[in-house]
Parts: sequence; structure tokens; C-alpha cells
Amino acid sequence: AQSVTQPDIHITVSEGASLELRCNYSYGATPYLFWYVQSPGQGLQLLLKYFSGDTLVQGIKGFEAEFKRSQSSFNLRKPSVHWSDAAEYFCAVVSAGNNRKLIWGLGTSLAVNP
Amino acid sequence: GAVVSQHPSRVICKSGTSVKIECRSLDFQATTMFWYRQFPKQSLMLMATSNEGSKATYEQGVEKDKFLINHASLTLSTLTVTSAHPEDSSFYICSARVSGRNNNEQFFGPGTRLTVL
Repeated sequence: AQSVTQPDIHITVSEGASLELRCNYSYGATPYLFWYVQSPGQGLQLLLKYFSGDTLVQGIKGFEAEFKRSQSSFNLRKPSVHWSDAAEYFCAVVSAGNNRKLIWGLGTSLAVNP
Repeated sequence: GAVVSQHPSRVICKSGTSVKIECRSLDFQATTMFWYRQFPKQSLMLMATSNEGSKATYEQGVEKDKFLINHASLTLSTLTVTSAHPEDSSFYICSARVSGRNNNEQFFGPGTRLTVL
């Protein structure tokens, strides 16, 4: 069965430090991958997506992610974290079924120290 | 473009009452809408997939008589929590997919916070 793994439940970084959030997926074909961010009590905001083409994807708020087929990974990165980046981050992949529903990771909670 | 709204954003109700949540695609047609439930500090849990003009497909373990879904038009799906109880308190999120065979992106509503007293 398809799955998405976000190995880090919680990460704390200092403001200005670089960030990498890990995401691994299991899927036989080329996956459609997403990263979403959710601030406390809020809805989801799409950061970026990968469907095909360039494996380095640029998103909003200075985020980028790199699709690595050999590692089945789609890690999210940001060179310099801002305090406002503190939130929950979710990785998701489109399932292979007819309804193309999303398979979600459990999320990574990011805390930013001043 | 691709904006999804939900109404209400918050609702507090007494145990035993029914609550209806609306999900609208404002600037596109959505053949398929999805309903999710999210508990605090947890990921999204898909409840059901709603296709316009047909019955919703519920995920395993989701009571279809408890969570009634209607997708009567290409821009509106509703979720009705019937005879709500405190354990139904949660954050409910809908999403919509633009009509078309090759569309894989879902656009999310802002969520509805349901509190059952």
C-alpha cells in the first residue's frame, strides 16, 4: 500500500538557521507530491508541488523541495527560517486509485527559537 | 483562482443536534470534493470522497449514516453531522478538485471547527 513517512515528529531550529524536513513515500510510478503548511487553528496552505520535470521545485515563502526518485524522497528545505515559519508541515502523495485521493504523512511540527 | 470556502468557520452545538457544513468552490467547477477530519496535533483523516450527482464513497470506519454527504452541484458539497455528540468535536476540512481527468491537485477550504457540548 502507498504510504508517506515524515520521520521527524517535531523539529526545533533557531531563527535564521537552515531547515530540512524529510518526507519519504512509497509509490511504484512517478508520484504527484505536495507539501502543505498549517498554522495553529488554521487551514492548509500549499507550499509547493511536484508533478514532473525539474526535480528541484520552488515554492512560496522561500521554500524549495527536491524530488529524488532513487531515495523515494521529497525533502522540504529553507535556507533561513523565520519565526513565522513555526507551524505544522505535511507531505502528501496522490494515490494510484481512481479517486486519486491524497495519502498524508503524519506531519512535522516546527518550532523556531528566537 | 481555485478558491474553496467553508461555512460556518466555527459552530458550537448541543449534543443530539445536527450540524450542516457547506463547502463551495468559488471560481471553478469541482466534480470531486473530499471531506477530512483532523484531531489536534494530528494529520488529516479522509472521511469520504464526494462526486457530484452520485453517492459519496466513505472510508473504512466512517459511519455514513452519521456523516451525511451531499454533492448536489459542481460547486457545492455539504457534510451533515447527525445527532452530534462530544466525540464528534473536531476540525473538519473540505477540499475540491478541478473537473478534468488529469487534475491531481486538491484545493482546501479553511476548515470548520465543530464543538459539541
